[in-house]
Amino acid sequence: NAGVTQTPKFRVLKTGQSMTLLCAQDMNHEYMYWYRQDPGMGLRLIHYSVGEGTTAKGEVPDGYNVSRLKKQNFLLGLESAAPSQTSVYFCASSYPDRRGNTEAFFGQGTRLTVV
Amino acid sequence: AQRVTQPEKLLSVFKGAPVELKCNYSYSGSPELFWYVQYSRQRLQLLLRHISRESIKGFTADLNKGETSFHLKKPFAQEEDSAMYYCALSGIIQGAQKLVFGQGTRLTINP
Repeated sequence: NAGVTQTPKFRVLKTGQSMTLLCAQDMNHEYMYWYRQDPGMGLRLIHYSVGEGTTAKGEVPDGYNVSRLKKQNFLLGLESAAPSQTSVYFCASSYPDRRGNTEAFFGQGTRLTVV
Repeated sequence: AQRVTQPEKLLSVFKGAPVELKCNYSYSGSPELFWYVQYSRQRLQLLLRHISRESIKGFTADLNKGETSFHLKKPFAQEEDSAMYYCALSGIIQGAQKLVFGQGTRLTINP
């Protein structure tokens, strides 16, 4: 059982380049999230999805786009990378009950450097 | 605004000493609160959640609604407790169920 898998694990981009980060989960979870982790800032929510075909903005959505065409996949895109997007990106999924008190499972992270 | 605050970015204690990682939250309603941990070179994982009222690896956390706090405590720290700890809140925020995190506290246990 793979859980949550992120691809790639590492990437270096030049300013202005584009890329897509893939998150795949095999737990049939409805909710999926993309976070970025920066020193002193904790985990900040970029975008999230409450089900197949739906996405919504989180706390820091600018410069990113997402798609959830299939329930098991949640893609994070950077159309024109900027150095400020250098970060570690984490994907998570969960299947919350009506009170939202179930566990979120995380991927191993993607370390992105924009030069 | 709904937020989670962890006032200490770094916390260092000696092995065997008590540990308390602070977490305060603001939320207009009844939130669900969690502590997640990230050990070196590992992914984030759930440590405990307030509804379970359980002790995991010797850690406990009590939800204090009056003080809007959910501090994580352990009476006797061990070296393997060194990690990054995140307090998290799950609730309805801007009309949707979201999971938001604090800034994190890096705990170092000195031998």
